[in-house]
Amino acid sequence: SQKIEQNSEALNIQEGKTATLTCNYTNYSPAYLQWYRQDPGRGPVFLLLIRENEKEKRKERLKVTFDTTLKQSLFHITASQPADSATYLCALAGSGYSTLTFGKGTMLLVSP
Amino acid sequence: GAVVSQHPSRVICKSGTSVKIECRSLDFQATTMFWYRQFPKQSLMLMATSNEGSKATYEQGVEKDKFLINHASLTLSTLTVTSAHPEDSSFYICSAIPGQGGNYGYTFGSGTRLTVV
Repeated sequence: SQKIEQNSEALNIQEGKTATLTCNYTNYSPAYLQWYRQDPGRGPVFLLLIRENEKEKRKERLKVTFDTTLKQSLFHITASQPADSATYLCALAGSGYSTLTFGKGTMLLVSP
Repeated sequence: GAVVSQHPSRVICKSGTSVKIECRSLDFQATTMFWYRQFPKQSLMLMATSNEGSKATYEQGVEKDKFLINHASLTLSTLTVTSAHPEDSSFYICSAIPGQGGNYGYTFGSGTRLTVV
């Protein structure tokens, strides 16, 4: 069955450093991979989308890479700030922009 | 940007009663909306896909008679949890896609925390 794995342990980093989160998947050939931010008690907020034929996408301090051979995506936040502290979710969609399948998310804690 | 409004944000109900959750797209039309459920420290699990003017498509294991979905207009979908039980207590979130062709992420509502006592 399809499986999406994100590090379940919280990632603690210091303000100003680059945070790198990992998303691995198996038994899936996604056409799109997306990253969302979720704060406690709130719905997810869309951050970035990358297609299967794209290697890298950037948006301000965010960067996403997508390696379909390794079946892995890396999500980077540069110059991290305490306000970046949240849970980050990886989600996959098949061709035709079908429904999303989510990972459990990784909590990021940025300390001042 | 695109906004999805979900109401109520929190609800407490007694076992056996029904609860309705509303999901509205405020500045775009959504022929399709999605309903998710999230348990603590778990991923979002898709419950059903709501289609305007037609029946919802439910994921395997989701009881369609228990979780009634109505998508009567291009901006409103509702989820009714019927005969609620404590095990239905969860965080329910709706979403929609404010565009076409895979260029957009999903826009989510703020979620509804349902507690059945």
